[in-house]
Amino acid sequence: AQSVTQPDIHITVSEGASLELRCNYSYGATPYLFWYVQSPGQGLQLLLKYFSGDTLVQGIKGFEAEFKRSQSSFNLRKPSVHWSDAAEYFCAVGAGATNKLIFGTGTLLAVQP
Amino acid sequence: NAGVTQTPKFQVLKTGQSMTLQCAQDMNHEYMSWYRQDPGMGLRLIHYSVGAGITDQGEVPNGYNVSRSTTEDFPLRLLSAAPSQTSVYFCASSSGTGSYNEQFFGPGTRLTVL
Repeated sequence: AQSVTQPDIHITVSEGASLELRCNYSYGATPYLFWYVQSPGQGLQLLLKYFSGDTLVQGIKGFEAEFKRSQSSFNLRKPSVHWSDAAEYFCAVGAGATNKLIFGTGTLLAVQP
Repeated sequence: NAGVTQTPKFQVLKTGQSMTLQCAQDMNHEYMSWYRQDPGMGLRLIHYSVGAGITDQGEVPNGYNVSRSTTEDFPLRLLSAAPSQTSVYFCASSSGTGSYNEQFFGPGTRLTVL
């Protein structure tokens, strides 16, 4: 069965520091992978997605993610975090021919001044 | 272009009451879905629809009904609310079918069942 694991429930980084959020997936075929961000009291916004091709994908707000098939990972990175990046981040895998998404449990990011 | 809209934003119910959460999209998307978000559990799929007149169950469908009479609207009905249905509910839509399609999410409805 498909699943997504985000091992870090809560992460705190200093403003200007680099960030890496971890995501591991379980899926039998080539996965469609997504990162969404949820600001407090808001809906989810797509940061980036991977379908095929280049394993390093660029997204909005300066985020990028790298697909590593051998590690079943799709980690999200940002070289320099801004206070406005404080939010909850969800990794998701597209499940099959329908549009179903399977989400991880999320990582809550706090940014210290 | 409003995207995906949800009403109400907040709702408090008593156990046993019924209500309908509204969801509408103006992007002519075929696919619509409902998720619930609970602390520490991420988002879980309740029901989805691949087009008008077609609905199917997701991961956690019990206690919820849906129908899709138009492309634009996809209401979620709670027939007899239970405290276990206290959650934040998100509606989403996407164009076409296929897991590669970006899903657009509404702002959510925060439901409390007492």
